[in-house]
Order: sequence, then structure tokens, then C-alpha cells
Amino acid sequence: QKEVEQDPGPLSVPEGAIVSLNCTYSNSAFQYFMWYRQYSRKGPELLMYTYSSGNKEDGRFTAQVDKSSKYISLFIRDSQPSDSATYLCAMSIMEYGNKLVFGAGTILRVKS
Amino acid sequence: DTAVSQTPKYLVTQMGNDKSIKCEQNLGHDTMYWYKQDSKKFLKIMFSYNNKELIINETVPNRFSPKSPDKAHLNLHINSLELGDSAVYFCASSLTRSGGNQPQHFGDGTRLSIL
Repeated sequence: QKEVEQDPGPLSVPEGAIVSLNCTYSNSAFQYFMWYRQYSRKGPELLMYTYSSGNKEDGRFTAQVDKSSKYISLFIRDSQPSDSATYLCAMSIMEYGNKLVFGAGTILRVKS
Repeated sequence: DTAVSQTPKYLVTQMGNDKSIKCEQNLGHDTMYWYKQDSKKFLKIMFSYNNKELIINETVPNRFSPKSPDKAHLNLHINSLELGDSAVYFCASSLTRSGGNQPQHFGDGTRLSIL
């Protein structure tokens, strides 16, 4: 079993839809949770970063962490075709020197 | 200006050859990383250097040897290339290594294909 599980999709939604992307993890020591967006033939770019449980909002994006369930989510409101990309969750433990453990990534397609 | 740049972007070579990938960051960061992304898009850390010192060394064949001449550069040399080495290799950097909370900035990757 991988430390971080993420459904690879693809997930296809119409423009304007609310998108929900999720990851589960097995290591309760994870403290920092991130979402990266990766366009085709590009490197991952950091979208959202949260520490421990709670919510964080940035424009159309909301990141949620539920440590009791070992579950994190990224919500995208009013999705746009330009949001079509692969979304990777990542997490780290303070003591491990900023080593990121990634999920497999979910391919999102927003259709106009 | 590109923050984290890698060269070359594409590398096609024969099995058994030795090749190097270079990475440079102009963000003034202390910590740099190498990741491997396989055909299923799974991204996994290989190495991390903090100010020229190796701090993370995952279970990677010793055919892979990172070198950091200064804190702005981290190169990856691969000996005796094998078919399974075909992947996209990403370089990343972060301000520091401490606290596990330093966002990492990625380059656009080097696509290595072994024939």
C-alpha cells in the first residue's frame, strides 16, 4: 500500500462545475499538506499549502485537511478549461528534512 | 527569468551510456532536490542537498550520483543507463530544509529516453 493514495482519474467536468479532488494517507506523522498543479510537459507548481487540520482558501481554491480521517481535499469553484491539468497532493513530516511524499496525481479535464 | 532551470530538456541515449543532467536555481534557495516521475506520473524523491551537503538519499541505485558544486547548482550523473531509467527527472529547490514547511519550486523536467 502506498503512503499516499490518489485516484488517477481522469475526471471530466463541464466548465463552471465545482471540482473535488482527494487524497488519503496512512502515515499519521504527516504534518504539512500541499497541492501542486502540473500542466503537460511542465513541472509541478504549488497551488495550496496547509499545516495540520483545517481549511484554507485562496481565490477559487479551497484546501481541506482532516487528520483524524487521514484525508485531504482540494475544491475548485467555477472551474475553467485552463484548470485542466494533473493535480498532485503532497505531504511531509517536519523531522524528515522537507522530503515530500506525493500522490499519483489526478488528471482533471474541464470542458467548455 | 526561469527560477529553476534544467538542461537538457530531452535526452535520448543508448542503454549502457553515461549521461548528466544539470540544474540551476536563481531563487537564492539553500536546498535542492532531484525527483523521478515515472510513466504513471508518480513523482518520487531521489536526493536532496542543503548548501552543498547531501541530506536525503533515498533507495536509489548507486549508478545515480548527485553533485552540488555550489548551492545554486545540483547535477545528476547516471552511469550505465538502463531501460528502467526512462522517466522525467525534475529538479526542485526550497528556501531551507527546516520544518518540513518550505514550498518546493520545480523545474520543467528532463525527459530521458533509453533506447
